Amino acid sequence: EAQVTQNPRYLITVTGKKLTVTCSQNMNHEYMSWYRQDPGLGLRQIYYSMNVEVTDKGDVPEGYKVSRKEKRNFPLILESPSPNQTSLYFCASSLTAPPSGANVLTFGAGSRLTVL
Amino acid sequence: KNEVEQSPQNLTAQEGEFITINCSYSVGISALHWLQQHPGGGIVSLFMLSSGKKKHGRLIATINIQEKHSSLHITASHPRDSAVYICAVRGWRDDKIIFGKGTRLHILP
Repeated sequence: EAQVTQNPRYLITVTGKKLTVTCSQNMNHEYMSWYRQDPGLGLRQIYYSMNVEVTDKGDVPEGYKVSRKEKRNFPLILESPSPNQTSLYFCASSLTAPPSGANVLTFGAGSRLTVL
Repeated sequence: KNEVEQSPQNLTAQEGEFITINCSYSVGISALHWLQQHPGGGIVSLFMLSSGKKKHGRLIATINIQEKHSSLHITASHPRDSAVYICAVRGWRDDKIIFGKGTRLHILP
């Protein structure tokens, strides 16, 4: 089944304890991205990647790191989590960057992170 | 001013009604997405548009590039259509994705 898999789905951690949220897709998609969703603010893009070894900042990259060493994986790293990073996180992928028409976004199920 | 504005923010309608959700944006785009998020939280992509109109079942999406406006229509609405509908645009210059704040739709049986 074609899908984007995120892990963990739920995590409670403490301030300063490094954590990684993994994202993997099995569709050979070039474009991958991370978003956070907060009440009243909606979805906001954190980082995106157009292809292997190519990453760019979205609107809210502060406090996050990403890497794209392989096409299928795009982990989100919180080096020193803080309570304001408590959020619902989504990973998504699409086949190619524009202007190709085949770039519908496929989302992971979401990861709910709480930082105490 | 937000770069992507959706209206209405909330909409309650009776089953069977024709539903329209609007999205206006202020940036140059390469594509516009309509997404659906159910109460459980999962997000599904409904449409990706760069011009014209697309139809899938009871859902129709249109975009007017000159007016920087898109609409999502639901015909013969059903309670299972109750969800948050989110408009998202992909910038042509930098490929960033910017989201609207969503429209919460509630269809009453």
